[in-house]
Order: sequence, then C-alpha cells, then structure tokens
Amino acid sequence: QQQVKQSPQSLIVQKGGISIINCAYENTAFDYFPWYQQFPGKGPALLIAIRPDVSEKKEGRFTISFNKSAKQFSLHIMDSQPGDSATYFCAASFRGSTLGRLYFGRGTQLTVWP
Amino acid sequence: ETGVTQSPTHLIKTRGQQVTLRCSSQSGHNTVSWYQQALGQGPQFIFQYYREEENGRGNFPPRFSGLQFPNYSSELNVNALELDDSALYLCASSLTPGQRVSYEQYFGPGTRLTVT
Repeated sequence: QQQVKQSPQSLIVQKGGISIINCAYENTAFDYFPWYQQFPGKGPALLIAIRPDVSEKKEGRFTISFNKSAKQFSLHIMDSQPGDSATYFCAASFRGSTLGRLYFGRGTQLTVWP
Repeated sequence: ETGVTQSPTHLIKTRGQQVTLRCSSQSGHNTVSWYQQALGQGPQFIFQYYREEENGRGNFPPRFSGLQFPNYSSELNVNALELDDSALYLCASSLTPGQRVSYEQYFGPGTRLTVT
C-alpha cells in the first residue's frame, strides 16, 4: 500500500521552464513533507520540506505548495536548469513510535534539456 | 561536519549468503535509519536504531537485522540472501534531541547490493 502517491513518473522540461511534481497522501497524521533530489549513483539529498501549518515554502528556485484539505502537495522548480535533471522524491512522516520514519513516493525522473 | 558514509560501495553476493553493510552517521547525529531502494522505486523503510536499540521496523522479514554502536554507527545484516534483495541500501542519520522528534534525515550514498 503506497502511502504517498507521486506523479508524473517522468517529466521533460525545457531550460528556463517550470517543473511541477505532485504528490498526494491519505494519512492525515502526516505532519512533515520533505522533497528529496537524487542523482544517479548517489543517495537522496534533502531539498526542501514543509509542515502542514503553512501553505507554501520557497527556497531559491524551489517552492513547495501544500493543500491540507485536498491532502496534496507539490514541488515547483522555477527557471529549470539542465543541472536540475535528477529523480525527485516526495515523502511524508508523522509523530509516532518510530522517530521520523519517511514514507516515499515512487519518484519523478526530471529531464531539463537546453 | 562529516556527512553520512557507507561501505562498501558495491557488493556482489550469491543467493543464500549473508551480507553486512556499514554506516557512519553524520557528526552529532544519534539516530540511524536503513532503507532499501529497488531500481526505479522510492526508498522503503527497513528499520531504525536509536540509543543502540531497534526503534521500529518496516515490512521486512527477520533475516534483516541491525546493530547500532555507542558511536552511533550502524550495521545492516541480511541473512539467506534472495534475488529480490538486490537493491541500493541507504542509511540515513538524524538527530533526536531528548524526547523531541527530528524529522530531517540525511542520506549516505548507499551500498549497491547485487544477488546472483
């Protein structure tokens, strides 16, 4: 059972464009929603994260939009660059018996072409 | 500040064998989580160690076991390897201050295990 559903599976964007990746969840106990970026042969790197008490968080070219009522959140990459080409994972976590266990989506492979 | 390191980088084992993977947590971090990432999939939680004890387990059989040492480093052991165990094994460290949960987890580069 996939606790976090991510789409699209792959995304191709032109340099300078906006990349948008969406995620949805069911468990309303989730209270932390990070995004990770993974390059081939590397481990996931924490990119940006949000708590459900805010609707948007921006760090540089990366923005998370969060819709608590719809149980959805998304990553927007503005002015996408070829160096952004990687696999992006959304994840969710909640306060429980395991300290910060992450539930990941299946990933989105982003390709930014020049 | 030293990041999360894992060893070895790659490993090839035969079905039925046993394997031990190692992880050194980021400096100052006291909690280690292990994840399995199959090709083309998101990481799946195996288990977590805090204060040298297992602190939760995902949907993995008992042949997956682990240890955490006083210096917070950790080992993942897998017995009776199966072909489906072929994956990237990721270690993530975080800081759990007292009774508070720390959500930020930082991943190592992983160990690529191939079972033939």
